[in-house]
Amino acid sequence: QVHLVESGGGVVQPGRSLRLSCAASGFTFASNAMHWVRQAPGKGLEWVAVISYDGSSKYYADSVKGRFTISRDNSKDTLYVQMNSLRVEDTALYYCATKGVSGFAWDYWGQGTQVTVSS
Amino acid sequence: QSALTQPASVSGSPGQPITISCTGTSSNVGGYDYVSWYQHHPGKAPKLIIYDVSKRPSGVSARFSGSKSGNTASLTISGLQAEDEADYYCCSYTSSRTWVFGGGTKLTVL
Repeated sequence: QVHLVESGGGVVQPGRSLRLSCAASGFTFASNAMHWVRQAPGKGLEWVAVISYDGSSKYYADSVKGRFTISRDNSKDTLYVQMNSLRVEDTALYYCATKGVSGFAWDYWGQGTQVTVSS
Repeated sequence: QSALTQPASVSGSPGQPITISCTGTSSNVGGYDYVSWYQHHPGKAPKLIIYDVSKRPSGVSARFSGSKSGNTASLTISGLQAEDEADYYCCSYTSSRTWVFGGGTKLTVL
């Protein structure tokens, strides 16, 4: 059974950094592209970033490009996102997600980790 | 990376059908058959209900169906049930090798 568990969220001041992790199990992690998706309070879902199965390709939403870095450690079955220069508008519940039947949709999601950026 | 356009809310009575539209551009919805739909109940992880425009994952009710015409995709729920009340999001792959969601539609079952 696929299991994704996010961690690392918390309260941080604007301009500071935070690293989120997503521990995966129940599937061959090294074979799957992995994504981060977030939801700000009272707002809709927003796609954040994707990393290819081997880490060689990475793409970002314009809203986080240059500030966030997605990475993975296939030896630890873990996905990361390093979030720098955090802004109040980065406050959100952050989910990691991965494909099942389709390479362009996400069958499997974690429960999310909350990031709050506030002074 | 502008969000896809969805109606903010739709409503229907039990047993009735409803349709939610999702409008994008030729760089996303119109350019690829990679539109997906998610059902999201507050406090829970989003659930994939349609992928690749019209395919249903195993275990998803046949009451959910998807289609696309030009730059607009649609989700239809036939025979509304109380448990269908949730937020629904469309999502599309884009020409920039990124993904973009719609703003979300709140479905109310009257």
